[in-house]
Amino acid sequence: EVQLVESGGGLVQPGGSLRLSCAASGFTFSNYWLHWVRQAPGKGLVWVSRISTDGSNTNYADSVKGRFTISRDNAENTLYLQMNSLRAEDTAVYYCAREVTSSSGRSFDYWGQGTLVTVSS
Amino acid sequence: DIQMTQSPSSLSASVGDTVTITCRASQSISSYLNWYQQKPGKAPMLLIYAASSLQSGVPSRFSGSGSGTDFTLTISSLQPEDFATYYCQQSYSTPRTFGQGTKVEIK
Repeated sequence: EVQLVESGGGLVQPGGSLRLSCAASGFTFSNYWLHWVRQAPGKGLVWVSRISTDGSNTNYADSVKGRFTISRDNAENTLYLQMNSLRAEDTAVYYCAREVTSSSGRSFDYWGQGTLVTVSS
Repeated sequence: DIQMTQSPSSLSASVGDTVTITCRASQSISSYLNWYQQKPGKAPMLLIYAASSLQSGVPSRFSGSGSGTDFTLTISSLQPEDFATYYCQQSYSTPRTFGQGTKVEIK
């Protein structure tokens, strides 16, 4: 059974840092691109970042570029999101998601349960 | 970035109704369009990928159509468990942008 389990969320002051983790199981972790998506309270889904299978290629939303770093450990089947210089507007539930690619398209077929990050003094 | 616009933002419907949600991309995305369902407090769940392919395990009352810039999600014979928020997402390019969501409520 495919599972993605996020952890590391919590309350942090503005300007602080937090590292989120996403532990994967039930599939060959190193074969998939992985993404972070966030959702502010009562709001919609917003894509945050993605990382290639070997970690050599990363992309970020403009809103987090230069502050967040995505990485992965294929030996430990874990995805990370290092978040620095946090702002109130980063408050959200953060989801990790697996992207599956086929001849007909690309989609997020499995998601974690999410971890809540609250940035407040 | 490609902008995704869903309509309506919300709708009220009864059990048994047929519901249609539309999604428009700001530029052509071929068939790189996905639909997700999200219930309160839960992670999104993939319903439709590549505009019209039904994800494994998803009931056949869900269907998708469209290509280029205009897409549609149709729910036939709405069931109580279908009351949720639905999002479209383009996977043509990065960033992988989502529509703002359509909340389907009970009439």
